[in-house]
Amino acid sequence: GAVVSQHPSWVICKSGTSVKIECRSLDFQATTMFWYRQFPKQSLMLMATSNEGSKATYEQGVEKDKFLINHASLTLSTLTVTSAHPEDSSFYICSVRDLGYDYNEQFFGPGTRLTVL
Amino acid sequence: GQNIDQPTEMTATEGAIVQINCTYQTSGFNGLFWYQQHAGEAPTFLSYNVLDGLEEKGRFSSFLSRSKGYSYLLLKELQMKDSASYLCAPCDGSSYKLIFGSGTRLLVRP
Repeated sequence: GAVVSQHPSWVICKSGTSVKIECRSLDFQATTMFWYRQFPKQSLMLMATSNEGSKATYEQGVEKDKFLINHASLTLSTLTVTSAHPEDSSFYICSVRDLGYDYNEQFFGPGTRLTVL
Repeated sequence: GQNIDQPTEMTATEGAIVQINCTYQTSGFNGLFWYQQHAGEAPTFLSYNVLDGLEEKGRFSSFLSRSKGYSYLLLKELQMKDSASYLCAPCDGSSYKLIFGSGTRLLVRP
């Protein structure tokens, strides 16, 4: 299966600053990556679908101007949380879909824990 | 609409068998995944069903009934390390997005 990394693993920032999270597909080229957010004791909520070379598709209720997604290459997608506030503190996880597999399995990165003070 | 229903918490004894049920409603269907997630970690793949029936994979088995919108994950010979959240995730038929349920927190006791 695909190997996915995220950087940073955890980050603490002040309210009002912006934070960039990277998601890398290490061993294959991913045309599609997904960004999820998970609050404590809750399930994963899909935020957006990141498409290489085109605009991301955001889920209902997710502000595209606040959560900027850039999928500039087949191995890298970035999520930037702009003007972060304490309510943005969460566990952010990316995943990639390997079209070379027979089914639609998504491989997840290790996640990034964001704490906004 | 889309809806996933799983029990919130379950408790079982080491060495026993536990079944985690999941009912779902999605707009289109392209298979159903089960993931395991330990606290603070990303989900890891357990199983995938696209046709009706039982898929067995070592200590884990997963069952699907598409007509009933129903799946279960069966864990045998429970070990302490199986204490985790188990996420049921049907795949949307048109977008290929995974729709995650709230997950079932399983506690395995000695």
